[in-house]
Amino acid sequence: DPKIIQKPKYLVAVTGSEKILICEQYLGHNAMYWYRQSAKKPLEFMFSYSYQKLMDNQTASSRFQPQSSKKNHLDLQITALKPDDSATYFCASSQGTGGINTGQLYFGEGSKLTVL
Amino acid sequence: TQTVSQSDAHVTVFEGDSVELRCNYSYGGSIYLSWYIQHHGHGLQFLLKYYSGNPVVQGVNGFEAEFSKSDSSFHLRKASVHWSDSAVYFCAVSASTNTGKLTFGDGTVLTVKP
Repeated sequence: DPKIIQKPKYLVAVTGSEKILICEQYLGHNAMYWYRQSAKKPLEFMFSYSYQKLMDNQTASSRFQPQSSKKNHLDLQITALKPDDSATYFCASSQGTGGINTGQLYFGEGSKLTVL
Repeated sequence: TQTVSQSDAHVTVFEGDSVELRCNYSYGGSIYLSWYIQHHGHGLQFLLKYYSGNPVVQGVNGFEAEFSKSDSSFHLRKASVHWSDSAVYFCAVSASTNTGKLTFGDGTVLTVKP
C-alpha cells in the first residue's frame, strides 16, 4: 500500500489558473517536503516543513504556497499558473529534518502538472 | 552552497556485469550523502546514505557506496546487475542542518541489457 499519497497523479491546467496538489503521508513522519522535477532541471527542493512549521523555502515565487492542515498533510497551492510551471511535483517525508534522519526521504509517486 | 555532479548521464551494461555510478560533491562543511533510485514513472526510493564511520556503506538490493573525502566522491557500485536495476540513479547531498533540504545531482540513467 502506498504510504505517501499524492493526488491527482496527472493534471492539465490553463495559464493563469490555480491548482492544489494534495499530499498525505501515513508513515508517522514529522517532516514533509515538496520537490519539483522538470525536463530542464533536476530535482529541485522547494519547501520543508517540520511539525507543520516551515523550515526552509527555496521557491522564489510567492505563487507557490504550501498548506499544512494536519501533521501528515502538506498540500501545494499554485496560483497564476505559467507554462514554465509544468513539471512533476513530488511530496516526500522523513522522520525528522536533522540528525540521523538527514538524507533519508520517502517520496510519493508525484503529480505531473502540464500548463497550457 | 552544496553542489553535486554526476558525470555520466547514461551507463549501459549487460545483466550480470558490475557497475559503478559516479558522484562528486563540493561543500565545505559536514554533509550527508545519499543515493536514490527512480524507476520510470515513479517516485524516488532511498538506497543508502553516509555521514561518518566506515566509508563503505551497504544499501538495499546489493548496492553499496564508498565515500572518499580526498576525492570528494561517493560512488555507487553493484557487483552483478539485474535487468530490474534499469532506472535513473540520483546522488544527493545534505548539509548537517535542520532543514532537511537535499541537493540532487542530474541523475545517471542505467540501462541493463539482457
